[in-house]
Amino acid sequence: DAKTTQPPSMDCAEGRAANLPCNHSTISGNEYVYWYRQIHSQGPQYIIHGLKNNETNEMASLIITEDRKSSTLILPHATLRDTAVYYCIVRVRAGGTSYGKLTFGQGTILTVHP
Amino acid sequence: GAGVSQTPSNKVTEKGKYVELRCDPISGHTALYWYRQSLGQGPEFLIYFQGTGAADDSGLPNDRFFAVRPEGSVSTLKIQRTERGDSAVYLCASSLTLPNSPLHFGNGTRLTVT
Repeated sequence: DAKTTQPPSMDCAEGRAANLPCNHSTISGNEYVYWYRQIHSQGPQYIIHGLKNNETNEMASLIITEDRKSSTLILPHATLRDTAVYYCIVRVRAGGTSYGKLTFGQGTILTVHP
Repeated sequence: GAGVSQTPSNKVTEKGKYVELRCDPISGHTALYWYRQSLGQGPEFLIYFQGTGAADDSGLPNDRFFAVRPEGSVSTLKIQRTERGDSAVYLCASSLTLPNSPLHFGNGTRLTVT
């Protein structure tokens, strides 16, 4: 799987948008970008994933550059409860004989402050 | 609905003892994964089940670690002759067997080997 690079930590003010960057310059055409987050003492929580188009759900937006070498996770109005470690993961498209396991890196520690 | 359930939530054992960690996946999820997470690190893949069979056990660190899923639902991770280095949070995840179905994680079992 392609390796991802994320900043080790970021800060964000409550109520503001949190923009978390991720570089995945060696991503292949059959690999998706996934984002998970992990709040202290809990298991990782799925946020969103995408291939090449921008995606939005009730939790966040995912912006993938046209060359697919980087992406940004956007939390539009961060709250204190969004303080967590955020993992950007490149995952092989699962299907048929391929199951596409997740390989986690170190992630970004996002701290939302009042 | 109910998420992935892991029991016990905490387990303390003495070096050399045998332990079993249980995972109840989300109903209907045929894919099941075990991960291990050490302090300050991202989760590390151990083993993947598709139904009853272990389709990928490449992450198991050595032959002291074994996992089963006899009826294609509940899974048990077994560790023989535990060592202090086995202390970690053991996470279980499940997913549908559909292309790009996200993994849903439990909150893990914190294993401490004294």
